[in-house]
Amino acid sequence: GAGVSQTPSNKVTEKGKYVELRCDPISGHTALYWYRQSLGQGPEFLIYFQGTGAADDSGLPNDRFFAVRPEGSVSTLKIQRTERGDSAVYLCASSQLAGSEQFFGPGTRLTVL
Amino acid sequence: SQQGEEDPQALSIQEGENATMNCSYKTSINNLQWYRQNSGRGLVHLILIRSNEREKHSGRLRVTLDTSKKSSSLLITASRAADTASYFCATGTYGGSQGNLIFGKGTKLSVKP
Repeated sequence: GAGVSQTPSNKVTEKGKYVELRCDPISGHTALYWYRQSLGQGPEFLIYFQGTGAADDSGLPNDRFFAVRPEGSVSTLKIQRTERGDSAVYLCASSQLAGSEQFFGPGTRLTVL
Repeated sequence: SQQGEEDPQALSIQEGENATMNCSYKTSINNLQWYRQNSGRGLVHLILIRSNEREKHSGRLRVTLDTSKKSSSLLITASRAADTASYFCATGTYGGSQGNLIFGKGTKLSVKP
C-alpha cells in the first residue's frame, strides 16, 4: 500500500475486555513504532520494533499491553483487561531505518466504556 | 513522559500572515522533527533538522535549531486556511534504541480566511 494503514479505525469495548489493534507498515520499512495519544496531548511512545524484535518497549505502561511483529511486517498491539484510562488514539508509524523520518497511520480510536 | 514543549499552545492569525511556533526540549538529541496533525488523527511529517544543522527550509516552512538553548522554531510564511492544524515538535534522542520520538503537547494553529 501507499501508506501506513491501521485497523480498525474505531474500537469501542467494555472495561475488562481484550482488544487487538493492527498496523500495516509501508512495505520495506524495517522499523515500526506504536504511540498513544490522549486528547489535547502529543503522542507518547509505547514500543518500537526493528524487524521482528522489540528493540525498545520501555513506553508500555504495564503488563496488560503487549505487541508482536512475527514476520517483520504487520504488527498487532494487544491490550488485556482494558481500563477506561486506556481510551485514546493509538498511532502506528514506520520508517525505512531507525532514526529516519517516521510515517504515521491514521490511528485507531479506542474507547473503553 | 513528554520532552518537548511548544509555545504558544494556541495561535490564531489571518490568512497571509506568518505563523511562528517554538519548541523547547530537555535532553541531548539526534534530530528534531516537526509534524502536522489534522482533526486529532494521522500525523504528517513536515521537516527534519539534525543536531548539527542550524536552519532548514522546505517550501513555505523554515525551521531553526539552537542546541545551546535546546530550542527550535517553525515558521510558516504566507499562511493559508489549509494550514489550520495542530503542530508538534518531536525529538529523536541519543542512546537507547535511537528509534522513538518524544513529542511535545503541540501548538493549535488557526488561520482565518
